[in-house]
Amino acid sequence: EDKVVQSPLSLVVHEGDTVTLNCSYEVTNFRSLLWYKQEKKAPTFLFMLTSSGIEKKSGRLSSILDKKELFSILNITATQTGDSAVYLCAVPAYNTDKLIFGTGTRLQVFP
Amino acid sequence: KAGVTQTPRYLIKTRGQQVTLSCSPISGHRSVSWYQQTPGQGLQFLFEYFSETQRNKGNFPGRFSGRQFSNSRSEMNVSTLELGDSALYLCASRGQGNGYTFGSGTRLTVV
Repeated sequence: EDKVVQSPLSLVVHEGDTVTLNCSYEVTNFRSLLWYKQEKKAPTFLFMLTSSGIEKKSGRLSSILDKKELFSILNITATQTGDSAVYLCAVPAYNTDKLIFGTGTRLQVFP
Repeated sequence: KAGVTQTPRYLIKTRGQQVTLSCSPISGHRSVSWYQQTPGQGLQFLFEYFSETQRNKGNFPGRFSGRQFSNSRSEMNVSTLELGDSALYLCASRGQGNGYTFGSGTRLTVV
């Protein structure tokens, strides 16, 4: 059965810290992996990764995929209170538009 | 371009009633999928529609149903509501390529 596992479930840090969020997956015919940030309601898109070893960056956020070891990490450097959110990892199931989500990592950044 | 629009934003219903939620995808997107999000279960897949056809259905009872219209707008219906149906219901639309965009969701409370 396809599955996506995220760790840790929860993380509490101080502003300025660097955090690493993990996502491992077991999905038939892997195509891509997506990261989302969810603050209140709508998950907002961060990254889509399809190729192994190629880092995607957006400001203080970056992500990389390892297709051999079946995992991805999301790094946030110099965290800010506005980074407090649930970070979701998702992988599309084979030949459908169904997304399989991990349970998410709740990040709390304190001043 | 306009994002994914879900209506209503909030709903309060009593047990035994039924409810209909609406999702208007991004213009030109033909794929719509629905998810239920609860604190205990995370994001769980409900259905996926493409060009008015249901392509996939998640592991939910028959009380949960949906449809998609020729303009790609989608509705989901839950009959005989139970307390456990209280959740945030999210829909996502997808166009060419692999981008999934989520709506802000409908918060359903069953009392």
